[in-house]
Amino acid sequence: GENVEQHPSTLSVQEGDSAVIKCTYSDSASNYFPWYKQELGKGPQLIIDIRSNVGEKKDQRIAVTLNKTAKHFSLHITETQPEDSAVYFCAASKANDYKLSFGAGTTVTVRA
Amino acid sequence: NAGVTQTPKFQVLKTGQSMTLQCAQDMNHEYMSWYRQDPGMGLRLIHYSVGAGITDQGEVPNGYNVSRSTTEDFPLRLLSAAPSQTSVYFCASSSGRNYEQYFGPGTRLTVT
Repeated sequence: GENVEQHPSTLSVQEGDSAVIKCTYSDSASNYFPWYKQELGKGPQLIIDIRSNVGEKKDQRIAVTLNKTAKHFSLHITETQPEDSAVYFCAASKANDYKLSFGAGTTVTVRA
Repeated sequence: NAGVTQTPKFQVLKTGQSMTLQCAQDMNHEYMSWYRQDPGMGLRLIHYSVGAGITDQGEVPNGYNVSRSTTEDFPLRLLSAAPSQTSVYFCASSSGRNYEQYFGPGTRLTVT
């Protein structure tokens, strides 16, 4: 099955700086790559996703890039704010599949 | 819409006891799934369902049963609880393949 690896496991940044989280996947048939944010005591919530026909997608301070040849995708958060502190998960799934395979998560701490 | 609801929020079981974790969604989603979340391991798929009457195993199904008699409800049954099942359990639903999965608030289960 699909194996998704996520790095780093923890990330501490100064408020206003950028944060980057990287994921790799093993199954070349995967074509949907969502990112979820989980705040303490809550369920994960989708923040952005990208499909294999797109190389980059941006939504305000958040962007995701995809390199299908290298089988990796990344989350970029610019101008970080305290409310960006959370656990972030990357995931991957194939075209005709409901199932998501998740990375192990990255705990992001934004220092004031 | 209430979205995805889960009960109970917390539960403590003794080894060998059985129980059912409840999950319901009011978005008429065809796809529902159960995940467990353990430190450093991300979210692992236990069971999933693509519609009423249809269920299938995920990555870590042993020790768990599910059924889907209605579109709205997808309960998860622990047949004989073991300490290895101590975890946080999340239910999620989605309207289709490669679409956003909506997560419930989670159930924190401790087995002693």
